[in-house]
Amino acid sequence: QVHLVEFGGGVVQPGRSLRVSCAASGFIFSRYGMQWVRQAPGKGLEWVAVVSHDGTVQYYADSVKGRFTISRDNSKNTVSLQMNSLRAEDTAMYYCAKERDEYSSSSLDPWGQGTLVTVSS
Amino acid sequence: IQMTQSPSSVSASVGDRVTITCRATQGINSRLAWYQQKPGKAPNLLIYAASSLQSGVPSRFSGSGSGTDFTLTISSLQPEDFATYYCQQANSFPHTFGQGTRLEIK
Repeated sequence: QVHLVEFGGGVVQPGRSLRVSCAASGFIFSRYGMQWVRQAPGKGLEWVAVVSHDGTVQYYADSVKGRFTISRDNSKNTVSLQMNSLRAEDTAMYYCAKERDEYSSSSLDPWGQGTLVTVSS
Repeated sequence: IQMTQSPSSVSASVGDRVTITCRATQGINSRLAWYQQKPGKAPNLLIYAASSLQSGVPSRFSGSGSGTDFTLTISSLQPEDFATYYCQQANSFPHTFGQGTRLEIK
């Protein structure tokens, strides 16, 4: 059974950094790309970043490019999102999600339960 | 690529047939997914590759379309279907989402 658990969220001041991570289990982690999607309170879903199955390729939303870095550790079955220079508009629930198809960028299934990041002074 | 869903909200009754549309600003082949999200929960994949039903999803859900225009149809609404629905294109990064369609009980 595939299971994704995010952790590391919390309250952080504007301009500071925070790292959120996601622990995966129940599948061969090194075969699947992983993505982060966020959702501001009361708002819709916003795609954030993707890392390929082997960690060599990353893409970012324009809203986070240059500030966020996605990475993965296939020996520990974890994917992380390093968030620097945080802004109030980065406040959101951050979900990690597994790409449905191995070795191929695709739809997302399943999703973790999310970790809440609040940027506030 | 921008994704536009319509309507933004819809009211319907149990047993009704409901259709939600999603339009892309450029062709995305059939690389479109539909998700359902209930309050306080993570999204759940319903349809992938525009028309393929994800395992475990009831057959009353169906998807169609290709290119730029897509639809999600729920053939006979059940009480547990009242939720928010999102489309997402998976053709090129960033994998943009539609703004969501809130399905409410009439």
